[in-house]
Amino acid sequence: QVQLQESGPGLVKPSETLSLTCTVSGGSVSSGSNYWSWIRQPPGMGLEWIGYIYYSGSTNYNPSLKSRVTISVDTSKNQFSLKLTSVTAADTAVYYCARALPSNLPANWYFDLWGRGTLVSVSS
Amino acid sequence: SYELTQPPSVSVSPGQTARITCSGDALPKQYAYWYRQKPGQAPVLVIYKDSERPSGIPERFSGSSSGTTVTLTISGVQAEDEADYYCQSADSSATGVFGGGTKLTVL
Repeated sequence: QVQLQESGPGLVKPSETLSLTCTVSGGSVSSGSNYWSWIRQPPGMGLEWIGYIYYSGSTNYNPSLKSRVTISVDTSKNQFSLKLTSVTAADTAVYYCARALPSNLPANWYFDLWGRGTLVSVSS
Repeated sequence: SYELTQPPSVSVSPGQTARITCSGDALPKQYAYWYRQKPGQAPVLVIYKDSERPSGIPERFSGSSSGTTVTLTISGVQAEDEADYYCQSADSSATGVFGGGTKLTVL
C-alpha cells in the first residue's frame, strides 16, 4: 500500500530556510487526482494546513504562509518537498506530509493518508 | 480568513454517546471531514463527506450535517476513543482549514 515518509533536518536556525522531503512508496507521485500536501502542528496545538501541489504541478498555499512557502515535486525520485523561508520559533512544529483526495464538490478535498510526522525545531 | 469552530473539550462516560460539533459558514456548500489523533500519532480519517465512514472505522462513528454545523457522533464510547478530534474543510478557493480540535475525555 502507499506510504509516506518525511525527512529533513530536525533543527533549523532562525531566519534560515526549513526544507523537508516526503518520499512516496508503494505508489506514484504522478498518479492522477492526488493533492500532495503538507500540514503542521506546533507542540500542544492544533493542525494547520500549509499547502498542496496537485499531480499536474499546480499549487495552493495557506494565505497566512504563502509568502514564505514553496511546495515542489520530483517525479524522478517519487518525492515532494516543502521549503519555508525566514523561519522563527513560531515555525517549530511537527510537520506532516499527506495525500489529499478530491471530493465530488469543487474546491473540496480531504486527507486519506498521512506520514508519521517529523519534528522541526527553530532555535539558534 | 475562513474558520471552523469546535468546542475545546467533550467528556463522556464509557458506553455513552459523544457528540462533537464543528461550525463554519461554508459548511452548507462544502463537505466536512473528521480526523482522530491520539498522542504521538498522525491523524486518522474517521468520517469523510460529512457522513461517510472509511473502511476499518467502527460503526459507532457517524457524522451528520445541518446548516452551518456538522457533528461527529460516537455511540457507545470506549476508552480507546479518547483522543483529539479535528474537523476539516475548505473554502471556495480550495484553501484548507482545520477546526481547533476537541479533546474527547472518557471518564
